[in-house]
Formats: sequence, C-alpha cells, structure tokens
Amino acid sequence: NAGVTQTPKFQVLKTGQSMTLQCAQDMNHEYMSWYRQDPGMGLRLIHYSVGAGITDQGEVPNGYNVSRSTTEDFPLRLLSAAPSQTSVYFCASSVLAGGQETQYFGPGTRLLVL
Amino acid sequence: GQSLEQPSEVTAVEGAIVQINCTYQTSGFYGLSWYQQHDGGAPTFLSYNGLDGLEETGRFSSFLSRSDSYGYLLLQELQMKDSASYFCAVRTRSGYALNFGKGTSLLVTP
Repeated sequence: NAGVTQTPKFQVLKTGQSMTLQCAQDMNHEYMSWYRQDPGMGLRLIHYSVGAGITDQGEVPNGYNVSRSTTEDFPLRLLSAAPSQTSVYFCASSVLAGGQETQYFGPGTRLLVL
Repeated sequence: GQSLEQPSEVTAVEGAIVQINCTYQTSGFYGLSWYQQHDGGAPTFLSYNGLDGLEETGRFSSFLSRSDSYGYLLLQELQMKDSASYFCAVRTRSGYALNFGKGTSLLVTP
C-alpha cells in the first residue's frame, strides 16, 4: 500500500492564481481531511469528507474548495491564491474503529504564494 | 467551540522521563489522541484514550481524566530520536475529523 499520497511536494504561486492540490489514498478509508499547518498554529482543519459525494467545512474553509467524487481522491482547490495561504498542507485519511479515529497523513505540500 | 492547551516547548535529557500535558474544552467529547511529528514530516499516530486511565504502548503511555478534561503523554527512556513535536487532538463535533492542539516541541539533549 502507498498509503496517502500528495502532489505536488512543493509549489510556488503568484497572488490570484488558482491550483489544485492532489490527495489520494489506497486504504479504502471513508473519511478524508485537509489541514494546513503554520508555524506556532498547529494543524487546522480546512475541509473534510465522510464519503464519496459528501464534504463539509472545517475551521478555516475560506478560499478553498473540495470535492469527493471517489473514495480514493480528495483534491483541494485554491480558487485565487493569496499570500495568507502560504502554508504546509496535509491530507489525511482515517478509519473509525471502536470509537477511536486514527488518521494517516500524507507527506504534505509546501505552498508559497508570492 | 473546542480548544486544546499544551505547553509550547519541553526540554529533557536522554534517558529521562518527560510528561506532556494537554487540557481541553470541547462538546461531545469522544477521546483524546496523540500524534508525533518530526521536523518537516507528516504527523503519525501515537496513542488514544477513550476512557479514563492509562494506555501503554512500549516507551509511550497516555493518560486521560475526563472529569478534569485533562490528559498527558508520558515518554520514558528518552532517546535523541524522540526530539519532535507532539500534538494532542480531539474529534470534532461532527465526529469525522480531528481538532489539534498547537503542539509541544520536545528537545532531547545528551
């Protein structure tokens, strides 16, 4: 199993550009999430999905869109990039068993918006 | 809303024991998780407490007191490779994702 994969690893954008961060998992997990991590801020939830066709907002959703057409893929779209979106983005898939949710994270995408 | 508080930095000596505390405020509490993140890497799952008490996994233990809204991660026989950030997390109100604390940076010194 590859686990959770993310592409690209690094990206530089200009203000106003759009792009899609890709995330895929091969563990057949129903739940997937996107987080951003900024220095001193920990991991903040952007959007999450509980299954194909179902998504919902997290703590910091503004400026981002998601869709979940398949169980495997959960792309994150930046509509019009802003310098405030410079961050490290982590995708995670999770399994809920016995009341415990275990999240498996991808390697991250490092995004710089100029 | 939900909030989690943990110390920002902890320093300990190789071979020692260190405790990282986490206090939380949340509605619909389901359990407390701990994740480890090495610099620049992906967070990885360490431990989970759904009920009060101590859970042990090798050199790592985690404790939860639901009545005190408090938990801690205990690392024993510290090794240099344990230098990392440690995050406590609780499930969100929806139950399908996690809210993380801001993390504790642990530095293990020789």
